[in-house]
Amino acid sequence: QKEVEQDPGPLSVPEGAIVSLNCTYSNSAFQYFMWYRQYSRKGPELLMYTYSSGNKEDGRFTAQVDKSSKYISLFIRDSQPSDSATYLCAARLAFGKGNQVVVIP
Amino acid sequence: GAGVSQTPSNKVTEKGKYVELRCDPISGHTALYWYRQSLGQGPEFLIYFQGTGAADDSGLPNDRFFAVRPEGSVSTLKIQRTERGDSAVYLCASSLPSSSSSGANVLTFGAGSRLTVL
Repeated sequence: QKEVEQDPGPLSVPEGAIVSLNCTYSNSAFQYFMWYRQYSRKGPELLMYTYSSGNKEDGRFTAQVDKSSKYISLFIRDSQPSDSATYLCAARLAFGKGNQVVVIP
Repeated sequence: GAGVSQTPSNKVTEKGKYVELRCDPISGHTALYWYRQSLGQGPEFLIYFQGTGAADDSGLPNDRFFAVRPEGSVSTLKIQRTERGDSAVYLCASSLPSSSSSGANVLTFGAGSRLTVL
């Protein structure tokens, strides 16, 4: 079992919609959970990270961790075409496969 | 420099050749990481340095892969006897040291070196 699992399916949404992305993890010792954004032919860049369980909000982005179910989520409100990218969840040194998100104007 | 610099940005080589990929981390970042990313996949961990020493090399796929960081700054990933399956983007990242073994490894990535083995 991989340490971080992310269903890699692509996601297309109309501009203004809410984007919801999810990952699961296996190691209960993980305490920090990261979301990275990766544009085509670029390296991943950190979007936000959360510690332990709970929510963290940064503008239109909300990261959520549920340690009891080992589930991490990212929500993007009022999605914009510039949000079109691949989103990667990560914990410690392990990354998920990424979700390619396309926001259609 | 301002960011993580990786060279070359693109490398095309023939099967069986030797390849070196270089990473210049952010000044002051003592931790350096190498990942490999294939098309449609997330970054796959290869090796992590804390200073000059490899703190975790559990991701290196086999003994054809080797990495060094002799002075605790620039790192070189070396691949011997390249195979077509080695074709991927090799990403380097750096960070300040994490506070614990399960801590926040907040990584700053370079743009990657795209390796194509013909």
